[in-house]
Amino acid sequence: KAGVTQTPRYLIKTRGQQVTLSCSPISGHRSVSWYQQTPGQGLQFLFEYFSETQRNKGNFPGRFSGRQFSNSRSEMNVSTLELGDSALYLCASSQQGPRNNSPLHFGNGTRLTVT
Amino acid sequence: GNSVTQMEGPVTLSEEAFLTINCTYTATGYPSLFWYVQYPGEGLQLLLKATKADDKGSNKGFEATYRKETTSFHLEKGSVQVSDSAVYFCAGYNNNDMRFGAGTRLTVKP
Repeated sequence: KAGVTQTPRYLIKTRGQQVTLSCSPISGHRSVSWYQQTPGQGLQFLFEYFSETQRNKGNFPGRFSGRQFSNSRSEMNVSTLELGDSALYLCASSQQGPRNNSPLHFGNGTRLTVT
Repeated sequence: GNSVTQMEGPVTLSEEAFLTINCTYTATGYPSLFWYVQYPGEGLQLLLKATKADDKGSNKGFEATYRKETTSFHLEKGSVQVSDSAVYFCAGYNNNDMRFGAGTRLTVKP
């Protein structure tokens, strides 16, 4: 079974631009969560999608948005990039999501650098 | 709010040494607790979990017991191997909120 796939692996953008990150979950998994990982803040929850609906949202500004498609693939968009958005963005899929104690399966992440 | 605090690393041990990585949680109610591990070059993966007080999660020789009285979920292994070198994350889920600790980097030397 293929694991969680995130594309691209690396991105370099300049301030003010926008970016879209993609995540393909494990086949059969309906929940996709996104996390931001930085050395100072650790892993911070962005949002969770389940069956194309946002089920949970973390404490991030509206510049961070996402969506999920009918095949469970998910995209995350960040608009008006700031230097502080530089981070590793991780996607995790699970069958039912963390509320059902389903284990999360993480991708290798997309490393975003904003200059 | 909910939070998870784990001991800061890095931790360096010799092979066959005893490992403890401390983790405590703060939550309203009783969260489900997890340990995730990230091996070099790989994504995070679930190591073990416990969903209620006094539960013990175990996997690959690692154990952690959900202690309600001390709000802790410390990770232990009796004899570490070089292949256990990784970053370990404690996590808790409560009221639609999943929180991770900052991660502890473990290096095991032969």
